Amino acid sequence: DGGITQSPKYLFRKEGQNVTLSCEQNLNHDAMYWYRQDPGQGLRLIYYSQIVNDFQKGDIAEGYSVSREKKESFPLTVTSAQKNPTAFYLCASSISHGKKQFFGPGTRLTVL
Amino acid sequence: DAKTTQPNSMESNEEEPVHLPCNHSTISGTDYIHWYRQLPSQGPEYVIHGLTSNVNNRMASLAIAEDRKSSTLILHRATLRDAAVYYCILLNNNAGNMLTFGGGTRLMVKP
Repeated sequence: DGGITQSPKYLFRKEGQNVTLSCEQNLNHDAMYWYRQDPGQGLRLIYYSQIVNDFQKGDIAEGYSVSREKKESFPLTVTSAQKNPTAFYLCASSISHGKKQFFGPGTRLTVL
Repeated sequence: DAKTTQPNSMESNEEEPVHLPCNHSTISGTDYIHWYRQLPSQGPEYVIHGLTSNVNNRMASLAIAEDRKSSTLILHRATLRDAAVYYCILLNNNAGNMLTFGGGTRLMVKP
């Protein structure tokens, strides 16, 4: 089955630690995205990648980093510089940039 | 960026039609109207999109006003599984354009 997977579903970390969230897709999509969602709010774009080895900052990139070494994978690192990292993180992909997006199930990160 | 305005919440009875409105008075000629929905604790899923003509698919229908300044997502027979937040988004296919998710409309379906 084709789709997007994110792991883990729930993640707990201590304040000051970096943490990496996984996102994998087997849809052969060129573009991938990371969003953050806070309770009762819409999604906000953190980073996106239109093609392998290329990525751009979204609206709220500070405190986050990404890499795109493989077409299938777009991991997101939440660094200790992110002031309020506790949130629901969603990864998405699209066949190309600007086309409809397919979302993963999300990772709920709680920083204690 | 062109913005959309949606009611915060709506209620419907099960098995009745639901009309979810969206205003986008600053829409440009090349903006597509996209609808996504998000069930509780899940990622959003694509519902439908259109440019000028009304569109139908297995999930819903999209009615677009003649001046394109508003649109309506129509669920023909609401089920309990349709309870979700529905987002109306304008998307331009030019490079650099992003899906921008606002607050959406929370649809509650009563049995």
